[in-house]
Amino acid sequence: EPEVTQTPSHQVTQMGQEVILRCVPISNHLYFYWYRQILGQKVEFLVSFYNNEISEKSEIFDDQFSVERPDGSNFTLKIRSTKLEDSAMYFCASTVGGANVLTFGAGSRLTVL
Amino acid sequence: AQSVTQPDIHITVSEGASLELRCNYSYGATPYLFWYVQSPGQGLQLLLKYFSGDTLVQGIKGFEAEFKRSQSSFNLRKPSVHWSDAAEYFCAVASSGGGADGLTFGKGTHLIIQP
Repeated sequence: EPEVTQTPSHQVTQMGQEVILRCVPISNHLYFYWYRQILGQKVEFLVSFYNNEISEKSEIFDDQFSVERPDGSNFTLKIRSTKLEDSAMYFCASTVGGANVLTFGAGSRLTVL
Repeated sequence: AQSVTQPDIHITVSEGASLELRCNYSYGATPYLFWYVQSPGQGLQLLLKYFSGDTLVQGIKGFEAEFKRSQSSFNLRKPSVHWSDAAEYFCAVASSGGGADGLTFGKGTHLIIQP
């Protein structure tokens, strides 16, 4: 069964450092998403991406965040200058579109010290 | 704005017992409703979804959920739980228009299975 693949599974970084989280969505999917789950809290929508541009973004997705699809397979989330409160599990998801049946990756755990 | 409430943070049931996890949603139009399960260290796996039609939907792993518009609920049920069902369960809602605005999740219910 096709999967959404995320790397790294866990990253530890110092506050103020840049972090790039990578995702390989399912190959025929058209919509791509990033979600965040702070420990013990709910999964929160960050951003959606379609046709090489951001479609929707939440209040969480401020200027420190950016997304990119640098080639035909990867979908990345960049945090320019990490803060302690960015520590969370970050989930990538993708869907063919329309019905919002998202397939999620296993997540990337980011720890900011 | 749409929202999802899962009133139970933790639920403990004995193996073999029945299970019901509650979910209430707030959405102005006809919603798309989902239940996802997250096992420790894993991603979110779709258990089942409701888009339209029969209000009782069947999912994987023996789970079912019933959409009740009058109660704005989409409760998840399983007649007999197994130890492997221990996990975090998330209810989610999406706009029926589809497209880019993604899912709104509840805070989750942590299911503990007692032997």
